[in-house]
Amino acid sequence: AQSVTQLDSQVPVFEEAPVELRCNYSSSVSVYLFWYVQYPNQGLQLLLKYLSGSTLVKGINGFEAEFNKSQTSFHLRKPSVHISDTAEYFCAVSDRSSYKLIFGSGTRLLVRP
Amino acid sequence: DVKVTQSSRYLVKRTGEKVFLECVQDMDHENMFWYRQDPGLGLRLIYFSYDVKMKEKGDIPEGYSVSREKKERFSLILESASTNQTSMYLCASSLRGQGRRELFFGEGSRLTVL
Repeated sequence: AQSVTQLDSQVPVFEEAPVELRCNYSSSVSVYLFWYVQYPNQGLQLLLKYLSGSTLVKGINGFEAEFNKSQTSFHLRKPSVHISDTAEYFCAVSDRSSYKLIFGSGTRLLVRP
Repeated sequence: DVKVTQSSRYLVKRTGEKVFLECVQDMDHENMFWYRQDPGLGLRLIYFSYDVKMKEKGDIPEGYSVSREKKERFSLILESASTNQTSMYLCASSLRGQGRRELFFGEGSRLTVL
């Protein structure tokens, strides 16, 4: 069964510094990959998705992620974070044959002034 | 914009009570999902539905049931609530079809069972 590992439960970073949130998935079969963000007391909203094509995916709010098939990874990056990026970030994967999304345990990004 | 609306943001119930969590989406999506969110565990799928009156168990269906009588509405039912069902419940919907896995989420229902 597919699984997703987010290696860091919390990432503290100073404002305007770069950040990388790590995500690995278990299976190398064809997959769709997603990053979602959750602000306090809200539902999840989509940051970006990889369906096919270019392995570098750009999303909203200046985030991007790179699909690496050989390493089964889909790390999220931002070159310069803002206080407003403080939130929880979830990586998710779906086998192309299934409607189900499997989520990682989440990474809390804490941006400090 | 797609809107997924969960009827109650916060609920407090007693052990043994029957609990209904309602979810409505307004974009004619075929698929609907109920997830449970707990700290450190991420989101775990309880049930999903790919059509009216159709449902499939997710990873943690025990203690839950669902109902989908209309395309836009998907209800989660706790027949006899227990304290270990205290959690945040998230409803989501998506279109059917290849490349259409993006989920649209409601704002969540935080349930406390005393």
